[in-house]
Amino acid sequence: GENVEQHPSTLSVQEGDSAVIKCTYSDSASNYFPWYKQELGKRPQLIIDIRSNVGEKKDQRIAVTLNKTAKHFSLHITETQPEDSAVYFCAAYLVDKLIFGTGTRLQVFP
Amino acid sequence: NAGVTQTPKFRVLKTGQSMTLLCAQDMNHEYMYWYRQDPGMGLRLIHYSVGEGTTAKGEVPDGYNVSRLKKQNFLLGLESAAPSQTSVYFCASSRNHAQDTQYFGPGTRLTVL
Repeated sequence: GENVEQHPSTLSVQEGDSAVIKCTYSDSASNYFPWYKQELGKRPQLIIDIRSNVGEKKDQRIAVTLNKTAKHFSLHITETQPEDSAVYFCAAYLVDKLIFGTGTRLQVFP
Repeated sequence: NAGVTQTPKFRVLKTGQSMTLLCAQDMNHEYMYWYRQDPGMGLRLIHYSVGEGTTAKGEVPDGYNVSRLKKQNFLLGLESAAPSQTSVYFCASSRNHAQDTQYFGPGTRLTVL
């Protein structure tokens, strides 16, 4: 089955700096990779996703890159703000379900 | 449009007791999922359903059962609760496919003593 590893588990940055979270997956058949953000005490919400036919996707300050050969994908947040503080989960799709990574707690300090 | 709702929000059980968690969605979604969230473990899929009357096992199905008798509802049952089932449980739904956006409910915090 699919296995998704996510690093780092915690990440602290100063406001305005960039943050990068990396994930690797094991099954080369996976072809869809979403990222979810979960604020403290709230439900996870989709922030961006990428499909295997593209290498990069951007949405304002967030971007996701995918390297199918190496089987890894990354979330990039530029010009971080305190409201970016949350837990971020990557996921990989395989046969009717998503397999999630273990999460990265991002703290943005003013 | 309430989206995805879960009942109850909190519950405390004693070891061996049973209970059912209810998930409801009003978006006419085909796919529904139950996850558990534990510290350092992320979101792990328990069971899921690809349509009314269907269920399938996820990553961690042992100790749980599910039913999808109506399209809008997905029930998660614990027949004999164990302390290892202490967790936050999230339900989610997606329109027609697992590659569609999954919309999560607010979660149920379950403690098994």
